[in-house]
Amino acid sequence: KNEVEQSPQNLTAQEGEFITINCSYSVGISALHWLQQHPGGGIVSLFMLSSGKKKHGRLIATINIQEKHSSLHITASHPRDSAVYICAVSPQVADKLIFGTGTRLQVFP
Amino acid sequence: EAGVVQSPRYKIIEKKQPVAFWCNPISGHNTLYWYRQNLGQGPELLIRYENEEAVDDSQLPKDRFSAERLKGVDSTLKIQPAELGDSAVYLCASSSKRIFYNEQFFGPGTRLTVL
Repeated sequence: KNEVEQSPQNLTAQEGEFITINCSYSVGISALHWLQQHPGGGIVSLFMLSSGKKKHGRLIATINIQEKHSSLHITASHPRDSAVYICAVSPQVADKLIFGTGTRLQVFP
Repeated sequence: EAGVVQSPRYKIIEKKQPVAFWCNPISGHNTLYWYRQNLGQGPELLIRYENEEAVDDSQLPKDRFSAERLKGVDSTLKIQPAELGDSAVYLCASSSKRIFYNEQFFGPGTRLTVL
């Protein structure tokens, strides 16, 4: 079993829909990261959080430390949001990132 | 401020050929990471440097992969000889100990295709 699990693996949506991507992890962490990767592109950090909720534009990230679960929400989705969204955690006991396998999102006009 | 720079962006080689990737981290970042990302997977750490010292290379296939970071700044990752299974995106990232919670900044990656 992977230490970081994401769901769904693939997601398609119509423009304007509300989108939720989930991440569960099994290790103690100091922080959780949501990353975005466009086809052929590098990885961009969207959020880094250790508690509560963060919002940036149409993106919202939440984390529940007790339940070891985080969600990334996209409101009013747009075709330019199409990308792979990756959840990664910073374990408490190791100076590294553990990555999920990513969620491939496609938003159609 | 410039981000993490990688070159080349794309490389196509035949199997058994050597290949090298270059990374220039963000200025002042003492920690540098090389990752390999296979299609449909998350990145996997190959090696981590603290300045010029490789502090975690447990996942680096040392029979064919090598890396160096001679002056604690730029780094090179080499594969010799390349195999078909090495086709992947190779990502470089850097971070600073001054930044809490290990936020890493990623380069655009090098997409390697081995024929």
